[in-house]
Amino acid sequence: ETGVTQSPTHLIKTRGQQVTLRCSSQSGHNTVSWYQQALGQGPQFIFQYYREEENGRGNFPPRFSGLQFPNYSSELNVNALELDDSALYLCASSLVQGGNEQYFGPGTRLTVT
Amino acid sequence: AQSVAQPEDQVNVAEGNPLTVKCTYSVSGNPYLFWYVQYPNRGLQFLLKYITGDNLVKGSYGFEAEFNKSQTSFHLKKPSALVSDSALYFCAVRWSGGGADGLTFGKGTHLIIQP
Repeated sequence: ETGVTQSPTHLIKTRGQQVTLRCSSQSGHNTVSWYQQALGQGPQFIFQYYREEENGRGNFPPRFSGLQFPNYSSELNVNALELDDSALYLCASSLVQGGNEQYFGPGTRLTVT
Repeated sequence: AQSVAQPEDQVNVAEGNPLTVKCTYSVSGNPYLFWYVQYPNRGLQFLLKYITGDNLVKGSYGFEAEFNKSQTSFHLKKPSALVSDSALYFCAVRWSGGGADGLTFGKGTHLIIQP
């Protein structure tokens, strides 16, 4: 059973650019969630995908968007990058039932200059 | 809206002593509660969860947590701390009423176990 993987590990972008982060879910999991963890803070829920559709969203603007593919892998896209977007982006996979724990990947460290 | 409070930024415990990391929550309806641990430059690792049933939940690495509905608390405990337990610990909650499965996290507590 493989765990959650994310790519790339680190990324440096310039303000105003666009970025795509990728995530492969743990084997057998059909739901993927994305979180933003700013330095010194707890993770904040961005959105969740189930059956290739957005299933819920936190307090993030529309320039944060995502995709889920038939193999349950996922992408997080951020347009018009701002300096405050600098953070660790975490992907988590789970089974759809609400009581199931989420399993996190190692994260992608995004730096916006 | 749901929220989690971890009142201590840091907890210091001597190796071999019992440890407690505090968490209180606010949620409409019945909560699902979780504890995660994060090591430097790593993702979050699941420790344990409370869904329903027995108020004392046992998890990985000898950790346990006690759910207290009247005090809306879910404190993490371990009878005997190890130096290797030193890490950043997060409490998280979600509403049991369905919909998106997004977790709300506390700001984290640094646990430092001194040899």
